[in-house]
Amino acid sequence: QVQLVQSGAEVKKPGASVTVSCKASGYTFTGYYMHWVRQAPGQGLEWLGWISPNNGGTKYAQKFQGRVTLTRDTSISTAYMEVSRLRSDDTAVYYCARGTGFSQLDFWGQGTLVTVSS
Amino acid sequence: SYELTQPPSVSVSPGQTASITCSGDKLGDKFACWYQQKPGQSPVLVIYQDDKRPSGIPERFSGSNSGNTATLTISGTQILDEADYYCQAWDSSIVLFGGGTKVTVL
Repeated sequence: QVQLVQSGAEVKKPGASVTVSCKASGYTFTGYYMHWVRQAPGQGLEWLGWISPNNGGTKYAQKFQGRVTLTRDTSISTAYMEVSRLRSDDTAVYYCARGTGFSQLDFWGQGTLVTVSS
Repeated sequence: SYELTQPPSVSVSPGQTASITCSGDKLGDKFACWYQQKPGQSPVLVIYQDDKRPSGIPERFSGSNSGNTATLTISGTQILDEADYYCQAWDSSIVLFGGGTKVTVL
């Protein structure tokens, strides 16, 4: 069965960086895009970007261009999201989600809470 | 930039039909999908490619997409369907989400 297991909660100070990992299992990692989505407390879903594990190609939401970096390690079927220059309004639950073509995000990780506080 | 607009809330009585709309310019020319999210949980895909249900999603969930509006319909709504629902589409290799609709069953 498809599983996406994310790393644990993080607490960071403003200006720092954070990296969240997403380990995939139960399917061919290189066969599907991996998306990253976040949800601030009490707010809706916000898409950050996607990475193609096959070739490392990426696409970012304009808002996060230059501050979010998506990478992957195919040897361990793991995707990574780094957010730099953290601000308090980056406090959110960050999700990875498997993408099927240019269509749906069909499996989601359990989410990782990132808290940015001085 | 492209936007998807949803009503903030919808109320429905148990056993009745709930309809949630998602509006966007020529949305019917794109594929729309829908996610259900309950408090403290990750989103769950309930409709993809406008009107398809993933395995395990009850038949009472259905979808349509035409013109500028995609619609998620929950027939015979149950108490356990109370949740936030988000529409999603692609535009120019970018993923877009609607703002979400809170469905209250009372």
